[in-house]
Amino acid sequence: QLQLQESGPGLVKASETLSLTCSVSGDSITRSNYWAWIRQPPGKGLEWIGSVFHSGNTYYNLSLKSRLNISADTSRNLLSLKLNSVTAADTALYYCARHHGNYVRENWFDPWGQGVMVTVSS
Amino acid sequence: QSVLTQPPSVSGAPGQRVTISCTGSSSNIGARYDVHWYQQLPGTAPKVLIYGTTNRPSGVPDRFSGSKSDTSASLAITGLQAEDEADYYCQSYDSSLTAWVFGGGTKLTVL
Repeated sequence: QLQLQESGPGLVKASETLSLTCSVSGDSITRSNYWAWIRQPPGKGLEWIGSVFHSGNTYYNLSLKSRLNISADTSRNLLSLKLNSVTAADTALYYCARHHGNYVRENWFDPWGQGVMVTVSS
Repeated sequence: QSVLTQPPSVSGAPGQRVTISCTGSSSNIGARYDVHWYQQLPGTAPKVLIYGTTNRPSGVPDRFSGSKSDTSASLAITGLQAEDEADYYCQSYDSSLTAWVFGGGTKLTVL
């Protein structure tokens, strides 16, 4: 059974870099799927951050693109997210999820990890 | 401001039928991209409820159904149960933004 587990520091100082990993178990990330990062600020809705294919091809949310780097480590079967110059607006629950479906633009996200809360402190 | 617009809240009594709307534009739902729905129970990660606009994953009761027309989509829940109380999100793809986009979410309260 495919499982995703996010990890990383729960507290990041403003202006520094937020770094998270998503460990994937039960399947290889080299299968023909994209993998996504999605976040949810406290009490608010979901925001797609970006997606990566095992080859390294990425799609980024244009509003975050200048600060964002998402990668896939096929040797360790994990995904990474780095978001630099963080502010309080980046405080959120961060999820990783697998893209699902035949055509990437028609994809939905399933399954999701349990999420990791990241707070940006001033 | 979300690209897909949902009502912040809906409510209904047990056994009733409720619908949740998801309004988009010509660059997402109107461009015939599929709409997907997620249920997020308190303190848990979202779970797909409807995919490909009308399809239910195995294990999802047939009380949940999805539909789409022009630039809008809807999630219908019949025979409302207390366990349905959750947040619901629609999701699609937007070609102008080249991004997967979500609605702002709708909180369903079972009275």
